[in-house]
Amino acid sequence: EPEVTQTPSHQVTQMGQEVILRCVPISNHLYFYWYRQILGQKVEFLVSFYNNEISEKSEIFDDQFSVERPDGSNFTLKIRSTKLEDSAMYFCASSTGGNNQPQHFGDGTRLSIL
Amino acid sequence: AQKVTQAQTEISVVEKEDVTLDCVYETRDTTYYLFWYKQPPSGELVFLIRRNSFDEQNEISGRYSWNFQKSTSSFNFTITASQVVDSAVYFCALSEALTGGGNKLTFGTGTQLKVEL
Repeated sequence: EPEVTQTPSHQVTQMGQEVILRCVPISNHLYFYWYRQILGQKVEFLVSFYNNEISEKSEIFDDQFSVERPDGSNFTLKIRSTKLEDSAMYFCASSTGGNNQPQHFGDGTRLSIL
Repeated sequence: AQKVTQAQTEISVVEKEDVTLDCVYETRDTTYYLFWYKQPPSGELVFLIRRNSFDEQNEISGRYSWNFQKSTSSFNFTITASQVVDSAVYFCALSEALTGGGNKLTFGTGTQLKVEL
């Protein structure tokens, strides 16, 4: 069964550094998402992406965050200048579209900011 | 605004017991979709089930069943004859359609299920 893959599984970065989290969505999916989960808390929506542009973003997704689909397969989340509170598990998801379609999640990238 | 409440933070059961996980939601949409996801200790999020708002027929799939009641805005999930491998955090999620397609999931805070021998 096709799956969403994320790399790296764990990223350790110094505060203030830029970090790029990578995702390869399921190949026939058109809608891509990033969510984050601070340790022990619920999963929170960050951004949705369709047709090479952001379709919606949450208030968490401020100017420090950006997303890109640099080629036909990868979908990236960049944090420009990381803060301690950016430490979390970041999940990429993809779907075929439509409100009734489940989003399929990757295994997540654990981001630790020191 | 969408809201999902999972009042049970942690449930412990003995293997083979049945267990029901509660979910209550709030939405102004007339058509909406609800999902359950499982997060095992390894951390990934696994899609389990989906239910739409206009079909209140309850279903059973193997050891899983769900009870959707629109009148009380509840979407409860039952595992029959629980097994140790069911130990995980279970998240209920409400889907909101986005302009231009796709959807945004609003998750509850999750229920930690521990199944012991």
